[in-house]
Amino acid sequence: DTGVSQDPRHKITKRGQNVTFRCDPISEHNRLYWYRQTLGQGPEFLTYFQNEAQLEKSRLLSDRFSAERPKGSFSTLEIQRTEQGDSAMYLCASSLPVGISYNEQFFGPGTRLTVL
Amino acid sequence: DQQVKQNSPSLSVQEGRISILNCDYTNSMFDYFLWYKKYPAEGPTFLISISSIKDKNEDGRFTVFLNKSAKHLSLHIVPSQPGDSAVYFCAASGDTGNQFYFGTGTSLTVIP
Repeated sequence: DTGVSQDPRHKITKRGQNVTFRCDPISEHNRLYWYRQTLGQGPEFLTYFQNEAQLEKSRLLSDRFSAERPKGSFSTLEIQRTEQGDSAMYLCASSLPVGISYNEQFFGPGTRLTVL
Repeated sequence: DQQVKQNSPSLSVQEGRISILNCDYTNSMFDYFLWYKKYPAEGPTFLISISSIKDKNEDGRFTVFLNKSAKHLSLHIVPSQPGDSAVYFCAASGDTGNQFYFGTGTSLTVIP
């Protein structure tokens, strides 16, 4: 399977704990996005990487959230001191450079976070 | 601030008929528009897109129409099939493609 993969698929944690999610994009995709989706809403943009550079961050991304993409391959999203409001589906997407396949993003299956 | 809006949370259509899903946006700087389809427990899947320089794009049973003056786009599915039953999201981005805005989705049910 050469699609976008995310790990874990589900995470249950207690309030105040730290969690880390991983995304492996499609190998030739240099653009990587993180989104958060809550019930009844569409995906909300969190952050964007082009290769290893984090080029965009939403104001939704509080200082408890940090994302990295070392070496421009896989990416991690860490949430520190989780709160119940962080409970959501966290989606990762990747795409080819602009000009090759304009803006068509391929999404992973998501990581569902539940904060108790 | 919801920059992309889908005002119909759900839509039911008979098999074989046309499904029309609507989307409105507020930001005139949006340059590219996309439709995604989502099944439960899966991530969204890209369906079709349109650039702001066009007013129509067609791919098989799926056609997207863009009315820039009204800041409105629609997705037409003809003929509708039961397998089309899913949640459909519209999304928009500027010309850099660095940030995307999604609507809240429309749940389509195609009745056999």
